Amino acid sequence: SQTIHQWPATLVQPVGSPLSLECTVEGTSNPNLYWYRQAAGRGLQLLFYSVGIGQISSEVPQNLSASRPQDRQFILSSKKLLLSDSGFYLCAWSLSETQYFGPGTRLLVL
Amino acid sequence: AQSVTQPDIHITVSEGASLELRCNYSYGATPYLFWYVQSPGQGLQLLLKYFSGDTLVQGIKGFEAEFKRSQSSFNLRKPSVHWSDAAEYFCAVGAKTGGFKTIFGAGTRLFVKA
Repeated sequence: SQTIHQWPATLVQPVGSPLSLECTVEGTSNPNLYWYRQAAGRGLQLLFYSVGIGQISSEVPQNLSASRPQDRQFILSSKKLLLSDSGFYLCAWSLSETQYFGPGTRLLVL
Repeated sequence: AQSVTQPDIHITVSEGASLELRCNYSYGATPYLFWYVQSPGQGLQLLLKYFSGDTLVQGIKGFEAEFKRSQSSFNLRKPSVHWSDAAEYFCAVGAKTGGFKTIFGAGTRLFVKA
């Protein structure tokens, strides 16, 4: 069966520091991969999605970037964090119409 | 463009009472519709989904949803709520564009009182 992992689970970072969040999927090949952000008390905002290695689509202009160096690995990065980057970051995968979510990473920027 | 509206930001029901969470969508063709549940600090878990066929869809944890094309709705129901159902519920509509993108509603927070 397929599983999706995210780490770290929680992260506290100072403003201006870099960021790297990792997402990996097991048990499937060539999945579509997604990064979402969920601000406190709000719904999900799609940040990036990827249909294959090295293929990244950005949904909103922002301080973040994404990369897919391997088929089942999706990384969310920032060179300099802003206070507004705080939130709950969710990774998801799909092979077709249904998305399956990871456990999330809570990021607090101070 | 696709959109999803969940009119209720939060709902409180008594344990054992019935539940209905509302969802309205906007989409030009037959949509793919989903309900997810999120417990605090957790990821989203798929409750059920509708693509075609029978408009009444059964899901996990005793939930069901009914697709009504004429009302552009996909409401989630449960006949008897348990305290463990307290969570946030998201309705979503999907479309096959590129990597198959899904648009989520803002969510409805369910509170269950004893």
